[in-house]
Amino acid sequence: DAGVIQSPRHEVTEMGQEVTLRCKPISGHDYLFWYRQTMMRGLELLIYFNNNVPIDDSGMPEDRFSAKMPNASFSTLKIQPSEPRDSAVYFCASSRYGYTFGSGTRLTVV
Amino acid sequence: GQQVMQIPQYQHVQEGEDFTTYCNSSTTLSNIQWYKQRPGGHPVFLIQLVKSGEVKKQKRLTFQFGEAKKNSSLHITATQTTDVGTYFCAGGGSAGKSTFGDGTTLTVKP
Repeated sequence: DAGVIQSPRHEVTEMGQEVTLRCKPISGHDYLFWYRQTMMRGLELLIYFNNNVPIDDSGMPEDRFSAKMPNASFSTLKIQPSEPRDSAVYFCASSRYGYTFGSGTRLTVV
Repeated sequence: GQQVMQIPQYQHVQEGEDFTTYCNSSTTLSNIQWYKQRPGGHPVFLIQLVKSGEVKKQKRLTFQFGEAKKNSSLHITATQTTDVGTYFCAGGGSAGKSTFGDGTTLTVKP
């Protein structure tokens, strides 16, 4: 079991550019979560899916953020356009019994 | 909505001293999970408690779930430098989602 796989590990982009973060959950896990972590705000839940269906996106900061889960083995989080305040570590986690987090994507928007 | 408070926010100990972090929920929880995040890493699932009054041990770590299922604690006996990191509790509620506390960051002085 390779665990939850996120890509890229690091992303540096210029303000205004589109950013796409990718996640492959663990097979058989029916919940998928996207979190954002910063020193100031801690761990924030952005959105989560159950069986590929978005359940709660109330944590998505604004319309610039969108997430999709087209099938059970893939999810994306897109930011368009990106802003410096979006700089953070973004974690994907899948769950069946406790959460398994991916290694995260460290996003820097300059 | 459900809130999970965790104290203390930071704890500095001398190696060999004990450490305890506490987690309190505003509502009754279906379960409580504990995670450890090493500096620069991602949260890693440690354990899940489900039953009222449950106590589980993992080597030097002791986890407790309160009788009312609204609080929990993690106790580390004789801390080591390898225990450094941030410990999160997460309260399980409805719809498969857990609410994370803000974490307790432990530093250990050798």
